[in-house]
Amino acid sequence: AQSVTQLDSQVPVFEEAPVELRCNYSSSVSVYLFWYVQYPNQGLQLLLKYLSGSTLVKSINGFEAEFNKSQTSFHLRKPSVHISDTAEYFCAVSETGNTPLVFGKGTRLSVIA
Amino acid sequence: ETGVTQSPTHLIKTRGQQVTLRCSSQSGHNTVSWYQQALGQGPQFIFQYYREEENGRGNFPPRFSGLQFPNYSSELNVNALELDDSALYLCASSWVNTEAFFGQGTRLTVV
Repeated sequence: AQSVTQLDSQVPVFEEAPVELRCNYSSSVSVYLFWYVQYPNQGLQLLLKYLSGSTLVKSINGFEAEFNKSQTSFHLRKPSVHISDTAEYFCAVSETGNTPLVFGKGTRLSVIA
Repeated sequence: ETGVTQSPTHLIKTRGQQVTLRCSSQSGHNTVSWYQQALGQGPQFIFQYYREEENGRGNFPPRFSGLQFPNYSSELNVNALELDDSALYLCASSWVNTEAFFGQGTRLTVV
């Protein structure tokens, strides 16, 4: 069975500082990996995904994540955060792109002015 | 191209009642999945439909049931509501081997 561990439940960070949100997964098969963002009272928005190919994937708003198979990790990073990045971030894994997602418990990123 | 839409956005039900939540898939998507997100938790998989057939189910009791229609829209039905069913219910649609796109969710409160 697959599982996802998000090591930090809350991460406070000052505006324009760098941030890393950690995600580790366990699976006996090859996986697809995702980061979703959830703003208050909203659904989930796909931030970025790793399906195959380059292990470093990037989003259009400056986030990036690196798939590390040996460490079974998919940490999310941003070199300089903005107030608007304040949200809940969920790491998720699936065996293929069309099988159910298994989510972590989420990390609440709070950006402080 | 329209996104995934869910209705209603909020509702309140009494324990023991039944509820139906609705989801319209993103145009062209033939797979729909439902997730339950309790307060402060990550979403948990309820079940998935592909071409009107259930093809995967999470650890939820039979009183959680669903349907997918020929136009790929979907319903989630919950019978005999319990207080612990209070949660945000999320619908996601996808095409084969592509990522899931989520709706804004339905907030269900059981009192």
